[in-house]
Amino acid sequence: GQSLEQPSEVTAVEGAIVQINCTYQTSGFYGLSWYQQHDGGAPTFLSYNALDGLEETGRFSSFLSRSDSYGYLLLQELQMKDSASYFCAVNFNKFYFGSGTKLNVKP
Amino acid sequence: EAQVTQNPRYLITVTGKKLTVTCSQNMNHEYMSWYRQDPGLGLRQIYYSMNVEVTDKGDVPEGYKVSRKEKRNFPLILESPSPNQTSLYFCASSRTGGRDEQYFGPGTRLTVT
Repeated sequence: GQSLEQPSEVTAVEGAIVQINCTYQTSGFYGLSWYQQHDGGAPTFLSYNALDGLEETGRFSSFLSRSDSYGYLLLQELQMKDSASYFCAVNFNKFYFGSGTKLNVKP
Repeated sequence: EAQVTQNPRYLITVTGKKLTVTCSQNMNHEYMSWYRQDPGLGLRQIYYSMNVEVTDKGDVPEGYKVSRKEKRNFPLILESPSPNQTSLYFCASSRTGGRDEQYFGPGTRLTVT
């Protein structure tokens, strides 16, 4: 399978900005997507980058650089409800997910 | 309400006893997929289907079967479950496949003893 690397855990305070990185070792994929998963819940879609550059959706932004084999998810104005696990994924017709980053937001 | 449903939500079974986990979506999506989630390993794709009667292996297909006879349904079959298939399983669907968001079902927690 493909390899996607994410930090296992990140901690930040409410109101701050946090960046979750995703590095990968593959090419020729359609795009890079991000999913959020709260404990005990199902993954939910956050963002998708088909092209290099920044995609912004409210407080969340995602970035892709194919030349650097790198992407990130940027969360602004952190709220307690953002405490969750975040997964990056690359897709062909198949999907390959990273092992996830657990974000802890502290008051 | 647009949704993906899975049944059962929880299942405890014994080694070798065939089981089926059902998955259904009401969004007329072309693409459907099964994943398993294990601690520290993220989501791993088992099988996917680009359309009716079109299925293909994901990253970890061994020990599983699927079928796609109707657009809305995509059951996961374990012919002879083993303890290493104890996991959390998610079904997902999307409109076109790789290029748009996947909608996930609520998950099925399977324990094989």
